[in-house]
Amino acid sequence: DAKTTQPPSMDCAEGRAANLPCNHSTISGNEYVYWYRQIHSQGPQYIIHGLKNNETNEMASLIITEDRKSSTLILPHATLRDTAVYYCIVRVTYRDDKIIFGKGTRLHILP
Amino acid sequence: NAGVTQTPKFQVLKTGQSMTLQCAQDMNHEYMSWYRQDPGMGLRLIHYSVGAGITDQGEVPNGYNVSRSTTEDFPLRLLSAAPSQTSVYFCASSYAGQGLADTGELFFGEGSRLTVL
Repeated sequence: DAKTTQPPSMDCAEGRAANLPCNHSTISGNEYVYWYRQIHSQGPQYIIHGLKNNETNEMASLIITEDRKSSTLILPHATLRDTAVYYCIVRVTYRDDKIIFGKGTRLHILP
Repeated sequence: NAGVTQTPKFQVLKTGQSMTLQCAQDMNHEYMSWYRQDPGMGLRLIHYSVGAGITDQGEVPNGYNVSRSTTEDFPLRLLSAAPSQTSVYFCASSYAGQGLADTGELFFGEGSRLTVL
């Protein structure tokens, strides 16, 4: 079973910030939080990852709660091209990990 | 830099036929995996490998076979195709160590769309 839970769908107005939540209450101390997105039927694309500190790159920001049991992916200025399914997963970056994706959140950007 | 290459992109099989989906990566990644994605669903892990000669089962391994004789290649074999195996198949790879190059990012192929009649 997936170690993360996400809402099945969300709407966001174009130009506004999209905030996508993820719960990972059983996360271990050595597990990172990763976010991917899948546009149409393409292969998923990496967005960002983090361990316990907040992270930011050119695509998004990742906010991880202090207890690490949940996180939020923030797309600061959503565009129509951000319409996709967003997956939150947890994994350790060494051998013997089975990377399980959940059903993700389908984000609709409204014009 | 080709990344993760999957072949074929499209395939139609009859029930009971066998075939192999090919996956190759040129990034010297130790970790490789296969997922299937049914319409409107998330990704489900079929098999994965943490290095040459090592494979393990994922969430839905029945009806599929894998081998990892080289670091670069990770073929997925359908032994006797069934309509329930109609799906889009994705191969993915990443580093599995903890070196400087290891962000743990999974790189995905473009997918192989399989229809079993």
